[in-house]
Amino acid sequence: DAGVIQSPRHEVTEMGQEVTLRCKPISGHNSLFWYRQTMMRGLELLIYFNNNVPIDDSGMPEDRFSAKMPNASFSTLKIQPSEPRDSAVYFCASSLNAYEQYFGPGTRLTVT
Amino acid sequence: GENVEQHPSTLSVQEGDSAVIKCTYSDSASNYFPWYKQELGKRPQLIIDIRSNVGEKKDQRIAVTLNKTAKHFSLHITETQPEDSAVYFCAASPREYGNKLVFGAGTILRVKS
Repeated sequence: DAGVIQSPRHEVTEMGQEVTLRCKPISGHNSLFWYRQTMMRGLELLIYFNNNVPIDDSGMPEDRFSAKMPNASFSTLKIQPSEPRDSAVYFCASSLNAYEQYFGPGTRLTVT
Repeated sequence: GENVEQHPSTLSVQEGDSAVIKCTYSDSASNYFPWYKQELGKRPQLIIDIRSNVGEKKDQRIAVTLNKTAKHFSLHITETQPEDSAVYFCAASPREYGNKLVFGAGTILRVKS
């Protein structure tokens, strides 16, 4: 099993640009989670999907953030426009039953 | 909503000694409690978990205990080794199937050789 796949692994962009992060969950898993990790705020859940449907987006910081899951094997997290305070490591995780979550390698985002 | 507190924030032990990390949670409906290990620059990895119908679970050198009455759970690592050095996160799931994890702030464990 390839595990959760995320791309890109690193992203450096200028303030105001659009950023799209991508995630491919483990095949057969039906729940997908997007997290953000920073030193100040720790590991925060942004949004999660169950069977491709967004269930809880209360962690999404503001309207600049959006997430989609068009099918069971792909999800995107988009930031538009990006700001320096969005700099963080963004993890995607998937699970079969929302209990055992498996994390991807993360995307390190730097907004200058 | 659920709130998870984790202590200590840093822990240094001598190789071979035991390490204990404790977490408390606020939502009595929480029923799933995993522990993750994160090495520097890597992803969090699930190392052990426990569900509310069990009081203790063990896997080789690591064990987790759960006290639902007091709403706290702990990670125990015995015979620590340098490769145990990492950040450890506890988490609680506040509701049933299909719902999210709330993570503690993490504990930096250093095992000195």
